[in-house]
Amino acid sequence: NAGVTQTPKFRVLKTGQSMTLLCAQDMNHEYMYWYRQDPGMGLRLIHYSVGEGTTAKGEVPDGYNVSRLKKQNFLLGLESAAPSQTSVYFCASSYSRGGGTEAFFGQGTRLTVV
Amino acid sequence: SQKIEQNSEALNIQEGKTATLTCNYTNYSPAYLQWYRQDPGRGPVFLLLIRENEKEKRKERLKVTFDTTLKQSLFHITASQPADSATYLCALDFTGGGNKLTFGTGTQLKVEL
Repeated sequence: NAGVTQTPKFRVLKTGQSMTLLCAQDMNHEYMYWYRQDPGMGLRLIHYSVGEGTTAKGEVPDGYNVSRLKKQNFLLGLESAAPSQTSVYFCASSYSRGGGTEAFFGQGTRLTVV
Repeated sequence: SQKIEQNSEALNIQEGKTATLTCNYTNYSPAYLQWYRQDPGRGPVFLLLIRENEKEKRKERLKVTFDTTLKQSLFHITASQPADSATYLCALDFTGGGNKLTFGTGTQLKVEL
């Protein structure tokens, strides 16, 4: 049972560089999310997707883009990295229905922008 | 605006005691509330979900209460163990069914021998 897998686990970028974080889930979940976690700020939602081919903005979307071309994958892109994007990024997935269902998280990607 | 508040100060307790963590929220009446555990360097792991019509929910040594009048949830760990040391997060869906969770900043629990 792989669950939610994030690639890479660590990355250092120079200001202005671009990169893509990959999230893959094998639970056939409809909903997928990207969060960032910073000290004292908690988890903040960047973008999310309610199904293949759909994406929506979360709380802190600026500077990020996402794509959900396949149901099992959710990509987070940084077109021009900035030091303010130094953070730990978590991907999560959940079922679409119900009065609340649990979210499954990946192990995180620690990104440093210098 | 809608907010979730958890005690930012670490909670230190002695092994065997009951740990009680608090989650307060404002300006919303959620249909459910969730609790997660996060260990250093790891992603959050789901523990319990409680619905608005449930006053209390239990799972092994864990107990969650949900008071929609006080807008507060309490998370209890009975007979605490050093292995329970972690950060505990509460989460709500302020959109009312879209399953888009907003998380509190978490409370760090340290269980000492």
